[in-house]
Amino acid sequence: SQQGEEDPQALSIQEGENATMNCSYKTSINNLQWYRQNSGRGLVHLILIRSNEREKHSGRLRVTLDTSKKSSSLLITASRAADTASYFCATELSQGAQKLVFGQGTRLTINP
Amino acid sequence: DTGVSQDPRHKITKRGQNVTFRCDPISEHNRLYWYRQTLGQGPEFLTYFQNEAQLEKSRLLSDRFSAERPKGSFSTLEIQRTEQGDSAMYLCASSLLGRANEQFFGPGTRLTVL
Repeated sequence: SQQGEEDPQALSIQEGENATMNCSYKTSINNLQWYRQNSGRGLVHLILIRSNEREKHSGRLRVTLDTSKKSSSLLITASRAADTASYFCATELSQGAQKLVFGQGTRLTINP
Repeated sequence: DTGVSQDPRHKITKRGQNVTFRCDPISEHNRLYWYRQTLGQGPEFLTYFQNEAQLEKSRLLSDRFSAERPKGSFSTLEIQRTEQGDSAMYLCASSLLGRANEQFFGPGTRLTVL
């Protein structure tokens, strides 16, 4: 079963605007990661935030984590056409397993 | 290119046939994972190796599926007696023990069962 739920399922914005995607999860985690997937391709790791961190930045990406609400957000600033992709959050559960549990993803379209 | 390679990239087979996929992880990575992804969904965990030991298997991995990592380097995933429901993208990922489980994914093998 999917641990994470992304919101919205699809997002369409104009180039240059900011895009915000949200992820909620159900159980205690070690870390939460965001991945990007271009159509029909493999996943590219974007950023990892540990359970004891609240905010992290990488270039145009900003990730927040609220463990009390079991939620995370990914902000992409100054979007570009090349940002068009599906974005997935993935959680590493704190109970044992090394696997990642993915949400269903947000399909982001950047219109030129 | 993440450094993880998978072969083949596409496989079309008839129902009932056996198929085998290969994954070559990043050379120094001791952890290797297999995931399955169907259209419009996120990847779902299938199995995980640390070196050559298979440490976890999902309930999704029926007895028709088997995975190996014989020398702790490349891995193979075999599906016997394929069914149409096996049609999916099969993704391999690798990571390094002690590096917060940041996983690097290969391009995937897209399986179509006719």
